[in-house]
Amino acid sequence: SQTIHQWPATLVQPVGSPLSLECTVEGTSNPNLYWYRQAAGRGLQLLFYSVGIGQISSEVPQNLSASRPQDRQFILSSKKLLLSDSGFYLCAWSVSAFNYGYTFGSGTRLTVV
Amino acid sequence: KQEVTQIPAALSVPEGENLVLNCSFTDSAIYNLQWFRQDPGKGLTSLLLIQSSQREQTSGRLNASLDKSSGRSTLYIAASQPGDSATYLCAGANQAGTALIFGKGTTLSVSS
Repeated sequence: SQTIHQWPATLVQPVGSPLSLECTVEGTSNPNLYWYRQAAGRGLQLLFYSVGIGQISSEVPQNLSASRPQDRQFILSSKKLLLSDSGFYLCAWSVSAFNYGYTFGSGTRLTVV
Repeated sequence: KQEVTQIPAALSVPEGENLVLNCSFTDSAIYNLQWFRQDPGKGLTSLLLIQSSQREQTSGRLNASLDKSSGRSTLYIAASQPGDSATYLCAGANQAGTALIFGKGTTLSVSS
């Protein structure tokens, strides 16, 4: 069966520090991968999606970047965090060839102080 | 650009009531639609997926329908229980393999 792992679960970082959040998927090949952010009082906003290794699309300009170094690994990064980067970050995967829907990880709660 | 709206934003009901959560989208070219549940501080749990050729799906006390012509989906919860208390999110994708676009959710509270 397919599983998705996200870590860490919670993170408190000072303004200006770097960030690296990791997401891995098991049990499937060539998944589409997504990073979403859920800010307080707001809906889920798509940040990045990837259809293959090294292929990253960004939905909104921001202080974050994403990379996909391996087929089932998706990393969200920042060189210098801002207060506005605080939120709940969720990774998800889907398979475009088969309409199985989307599966989400358990999320990372990031607080920038 | 696809936008998804969920009404109501919050709902409080006594245990045992049947209820309907509504979701509307601006672009009727929905490929599939998925309903999720989110408990406070947790990730998203998929409840029902309505695929491109389908109009409704059922799982236990939950039934979701999709009317592409009107741009609406509803989630029906029968005989609500306190354990149903959570935020319910509706999301659609315009094409296979593209990202889901989410509504802001309906926060449901079921009192015993």
